[in-house]
Amino acid sequence: EAQVTQNPRYLITVTGKKLTVTCSQNMNHEYMSWYRQDPGLGLRQIYYSMNVEVTDKGDVPEGYKVSRKEKRNFPLILESPSPNQTSLYFCASRRTGLETQYFGPGTRLLVL
Amino acid sequence: KNEVEQSPQNLTAQEGEFITINCSYSVGISALHWLQQHPGGGIVSLFMLSSGKKKHGRLIATINIQEKHSSLHITASHPRDSAVYICAGKRGGSNYKLTFGKGTLLTVNP
Repeated sequence: EAQVTQNPRYLITVTGKKLTVTCSQNMNHEYMSWYRQDPGLGLRQIYYSMNVEVTDKGDVPEGYKVSRKEKRNFPLILESPSPNQTSLYFCASRRTGLETQYFGPGTRLLVL
Repeated sequence: KNEVEQSPQNLTAQEGEFITINCSYSVGISALHWLQQHPGGGIVSLFMLSSGKKKHGRLIATINIQEKHSSLHITASHPRDSAVYICAGKRGGSNYKLTFGKGTLLTVNP
């Protein structure tokens, strides 16, 4: 089944404790992206990747890191999480040139 | 001012009604996506439009480039259409950057 998976789905952590949210797709898509969704602000793009080893900032990259060492994986790293990073995070992928994005199920993060 | 503005924020309809959700966007947006977010949180991509009109089942999306306006229509609405509908603008010059509207919460009552 074609899908985008994220892990974990739910995470409670404390300020400053490094964490990684994994994202994996099985559709051989070149493009992958991370978004966060907050009440009243909607979805905002954090980082995106056009292909392996090619990444760029979205609108809200501060406090986040990404890497794209393999085509299927695009982890989101929070080196020192803060409470303002409490949010619902979505990973998405699509093939270059085709516009349908496939979204992961979301990761709900609470930073205390 | 946001690059992408949606209206209405909330919409309640009776089953069977024709529904329209609107999206206005600013200069610099070259195409519009329409997304559906289910009550459980999952997001599905419905359409991408850079011109004209697209149809899939009971869903129709239109875009007017001159007026910088797009609409999502749902014909013969059903309670299972209840969801948040989000439009997202693709910034011209970038095939990768998206900016999102705040969404329209649609509730269809039986």
